[in-house]
Amino acid sequence: KAGVTQTPRYLIKTRGQQVTLSCSPISGHRSVSWYQQTPGQGLQFLFEYFSETQRNKGNFPGRFSGRQFSNSRSEMNVSTLELGDSALYLCASSPIGNYEQYFGPGTRLTVT
Amino acid sequence: DQQVKQNSPSLSVQEGRISILNCDYTNSMFDYFLWYKKYPAEGPTFLISISSIKDKNEDGRFTVFLNKSAKHLSLHIVPSQPGDSAVYFCAASDPNSGYALNFGKGTSLLVTP
Repeated sequence: KAGVTQTPRYLIKTRGQQVTLSCSPISGHRSVSWYQQTPGQGLQFLFEYFSETQRNKGNFPGRFSGRQFSNSRSEMNVSTLELGDSALYLCASSPIGNYEQYFGPGTRLTVT
Repeated sequence: DQQVKQNSPSLSVQEGRISILNCDYTNSMFDYFLWYKKYPAEGPTFLISISSIKDKNEDGRFTVFLNKSAKHLSLHIVPSQPGDSAVYFCAASDPNSGYALNFGKGTSLLVTP
């Protein structure tokens, strides 16, 4: 099976812009979660989607949003980018009933 | 607040010896624990997990021990190999939070020849 794929891999944006990141889960996995990794905070949970519904949300401002499509692919959007949003954004997918999450390579976002 | 803590940012071990990575947690609702390994420029890779109903789980060179009363878990790698050099993350799941994982900040393991 192909692993979790994320596009783009690298992105440079300017403060105030918005960005959309994409994630394709492993075939058959219906749960998709997003995480932000920064040097100071480690990996922090953003949100989780299952069957096109957001099931859980981490402690991030409303500028961070996401959605999931009927084929389980997911996107996350960050509006009004701030310098502190520079991070590695990781997507992970899980099969039903399994806590083990399988991560993609991440999207490295740099905000200047 | 950080509910999963890895208090050792780094660890250096000689090839062939045992590596012990530690993790503490504060949330007594956590019922499933996982270890991930991460190389630079890659996403974390799942290594091994343990349910709160067990106190030990073994997979090849990797063993995870769970001490619920102390809210502590550890990952043992025996024997350590240079290819094990990576950042190791401990993660925990609370059944009330679906599939959300709470991660520690990681321990960078260096295995020297």
